[in-house]
Amino acid sequence: GQSLEQPSEVTAVEGAIVQINCTYQTSGFYGLSWYQQHDGGAPTFLSYNALDGLEETGRFSSFLSRSDSYGYLLLQELQMKDSASYFCAVNTGGFKTIFGAGTRLFVKA
Amino acid sequence: NAGVTQTPKFRVLKTGQSMTLLCAQDMNHEYMYWYRQDPGMGLRLIHYSVGEGTTAKGEVPDGYNVSRLKKQNFLLGLESAAPSQTSVYFCASSQGQGPNEQFFGPGTRLTVL
Repeated sequence: GQSLEQPSEVTAVEGAIVQINCTYQTSGFYGLSWYQQHDGGAPTFLSYNALDGLEETGRFSSFLSRSDSYGYLLLQELQMKDSASYFCAVNTGGFKTIFGAGTRLFVKA
Repeated sequence: NAGVTQTPKFRVLKTGQSMTLLCAQDMNHEYMYWYRQDPGMGLRLIHYSVGEGTTAKGEVPDGYNVSRLKKQNFLLGLESAAPSQTSVYFCASSQGQGPNEQFFGPGTRLTVL
């Protein structure tokens, strides 16, 4: 079967750095994406990695290691508004996307 | 631009009733998707479409049908609703290139009694 594993919850302090990991096991792999979802809202796209390495977008960075079937999302200078759920997602081919169960991030003052 | 819109936002059905959820996008995207989101299970792909007139099954297609008669619209139908279909339904669209960034609608909260 196909699976994406990520922690269910992470708690961090405002101003800190937090890393959310994602390991995947899929029949195809074309890229790893990250989405953010606030309570009651719709998921919004954060980042995408198709090749190994680090992609940086402002306070957010995403990393991919295809050989390890592993990636992570790094959030720096945490703010209260970063409290949300974060989903990793794999494009398995034909633009079919499989999502992980999500990691709920709590940012404390 | 409205982006991706969904109607209705909320709906309560009785077991066995039918309904259609409508998704519309104004970004001229080729690809459209229907997901369901249940607590602790993330987003699961129900059906998707790679262009007008085409549809394909996702992870959890049973009990649902879809149609894409116009490029901008993607309809999700429940012929005979069951309590197991109580969920939040999200529609999304994408250009289908590169990162394939998906743009999501606001969701439809469906309860089947």
